[in-house]
Amino acid sequence: NAGVTQTPKFRVLKTGQSMTLLCAQDMNHEYMYWYRQDPGMGLRLIHYSVGEGTTAKGEVPDGYNVSRLKKQNFLLGLESAAPSQTSVYFCASSYSGTGRSPLHFGNGTRLTVT
Amino acid sequence: AQTVTQSQPEMSVQEAETVTLSCTYDTSESDYYLFWYKQPPSRQMILVIRQEAYKQQNATENRFSVNFQKAAKSFSLKISDSQLGDAAMYFCAYRSALNAPLVFGKGTRLSVIA
Repeated sequence: NAGVTQTPKFRVLKTGQSMTLLCAQDMNHEYMYWYRQDPGMGLRLIHYSVGEGTTAKGEVPDGYNVSRLKKQNFLLGLESAAPSQTSVYFCASSYSGTGRSPLHFGNGTRLTVT
Repeated sequence: AQTVTQSQPEMSVQEAETVTLSCTYDTSESDYYLFWYKQPPSRQMILVIRQEAYKQQNATENRFSVNFQKAAKSFSLKISDSQLGDAAMYFCAYRSALNAPLVFGKGTRLSVIA
């Protein structure tokens, strides 16, 4: 049982380049989330989805887009990467939106924008 | 919006001793969930312990226990008999009982001294 899988694990981009981070879960979870982690800032929510075909903005959505075309996948896109987007990105999923349903995290993607 | 504050960026503890990590939060809700997550150098996010706000009894998981003070909006984590493997970043997190994403504090880096 793979759980939550993030692809790729590492990536280096040049300013202005675009890329898509893929998150896949095999637990039939409804809710999926993208967080970024920066030193001294904890994890901050970028976007999330409460079900297939839905997306919503989190705390720091600017510069990112997301799509949830299939229930098991949640894609995070950077259309024009900036150095400020250098970070570790975590995807997570949960069965429901309540606190009774724990979040399952992927192992993160380290992105460097030069 | 809910906020989570961890006032100790770094802590250290001697092996086999006890350490307490602090967390406070701000909310106007009465029903919610609180969590402590551990992030070792592997970057994996591991759920340590969960507390439901409507339960007065403090949660415990083996060597990990919490001191939940609802009126004071305080949720500290106590690690007993500290082990070298406890060295990690620890994040306190809040989740509304309604459909809402997890909100994280900025984290406390715990070092364990042999």
